[in-house]
Amino acid sequence: NAGVTQTPKFQVLKTGQSMTLQCAQDMNHNSMYWYRQDPGMGLRLIYYSASEGTTDKGEVPNGYNVSRLNKREFSLRLESAAPSQTSVYFCASSDGLAGTRYFGPGTRLTVL
Amino acid sequence: KQEVTQIPAALSVPEGENLVLNCSFTDSAIYNLQWFRQDPGKGLTSLLLIQSSQREQTSGRLNASLDKSSGRSTLYIAASQPGDSATYLCAAFTGGGNKLTFGTGTQLKVEL
Repeated sequence: NAGVTQTPKFQVLKTGQSMTLQCAQDMNHNSMYWYRQDPGMGLRLIYYSASEGTTDKGEVPNGYNVSRLNKREFSLRLESAAPSQTSVYFCASSDGLAGTRYFGPGTRLTVL
Repeated sequence: KQEVTQIPAALSVPEGENLVLNCSFTDSAIYNLQWFRQDPGKGLTSLLLIQSSQREQTSGRLNASLDKSSGRSTLYIAASQPGDSATYLCAAFTGGGNKLTFGTGTQLKVEL
């Protein structure tokens, strides 16, 4: 039982490049989330998926897109990376929107 | 808008001491409250989730309480150990349960 896994662990991009962050959970959870964590800003919700087939914007969705590929997988795409997107990205899952949230180990992204 | 505050921002205690971490929230209409720990460079580890109908939740040396009327939650750590050194975050569920507002965290150091 791996919980929530994320790939890659680290990534360096140049401005304008695109990439997809992958997330998978093996707890059979319905809901999945993408957060970013920045010093002094705390954790902020980018997008979430309440259940398979649905996605909704969070607090800071601009510049990102998501895909709920199936119940297990939820990906985050940066179409044209900007330095302001340098951050640590966390994926999380829960059994229902108000259930215990379980977080992945994070992806450390630097955009030059 | 829900605001979650954690005081103190940093705390240093000797090994073996019992300690209390504080979490305050401005909107008492919360669903649940969850406590996490975060080690440097790592993801968030779920410690306890207190449902709105509960007043306490215990796991090992940890005890979390919730007082919605006063807008407070506390995390009690008994017999602290150096391995407890980490940043502790509380997060309040509001907005139908799908909105999770994180506190600013308390950085705990347990010294030998």
